[in-house]
Amino acid sequence: DSGVTQTPKHLITATGQRVTLRCSPRSGDLSVYWYQQSLDQGLQFLIHYYNGEERAKGNILERFSAQQFPDLHSELNLSSLELGDSALYFCASSGETKYGYTFGSGTRLTVV
Amino acid sequence: GENVEQHPSTLSVQEGDSAVIKCTYSDSASNYFPWYKQELGKGPQLIIDIRSNVGEKKDQRIAVTLNKTAKHFSLHITETQPEDSAVYFCAAKVNFGNEKLTFGTGTRLTIIP
Repeated sequence: DSGVTQTPKHLITATGQRVTLRCSPRSGDLSVYWYQQSLDQGLQFLIHYYNGEERAKGNILERFSAQQFPDLHSELNLSSLELGDSALYFCASSGETKYGYTFGSGTRLTVV
Repeated sequence: GENVEQHPSTLSVQEGDSAVIKCTYSDSASNYFPWYKQELGKGPQLIIDIRSNVGEKKDQRIAVTLNKTAKHFSLHITETQPEDSAVYFCAAKVNFGNEKLTFGTGTRLTIIP
């Protein structure tokens, strides 16, 4: 157990629908990062939140949004889903003095 | 922004032999270089990292080398074992202001028994 909790582990939904992925960071970590990993692809950075504030955006579609709540958990909202959105979505957290990230086990999203 | 290239994309090694994975980065300001191992169905796990003030770091069978002048770094795994089979990712970032990690495209390492 890495200490980063992602729910749900699997999600199957239809095109056009909206889903919410949830992430609880390691205790004490203020930063949450979201990454998308498509089949046989690398890790594409989506967005970074630090202590409730958006810090950086990567190649995140306008249909996607995220937020980090006062208790530091984060949610990634994906709307108007398309087949191509099927992927693994990872969140990672890091702390003030910790250089690297700790990843969660991911949410596998399948859009049918 | 930072761009990280990783080679090879796949690597098959006989059990007991060594494996080497290489990465190059573009941003000379990057100063932190971690390596992650991703097993099937799991999230990436940090296995070793190096900062720019160090040229080499070892942890048992794993070592990482860094050449800042050439902007490349490598992962070396010696005496490979079947459990080393996984996808390995290199990454780089400027460690200032919670900058994001930029990942390489990954190397699928297969250890042949």
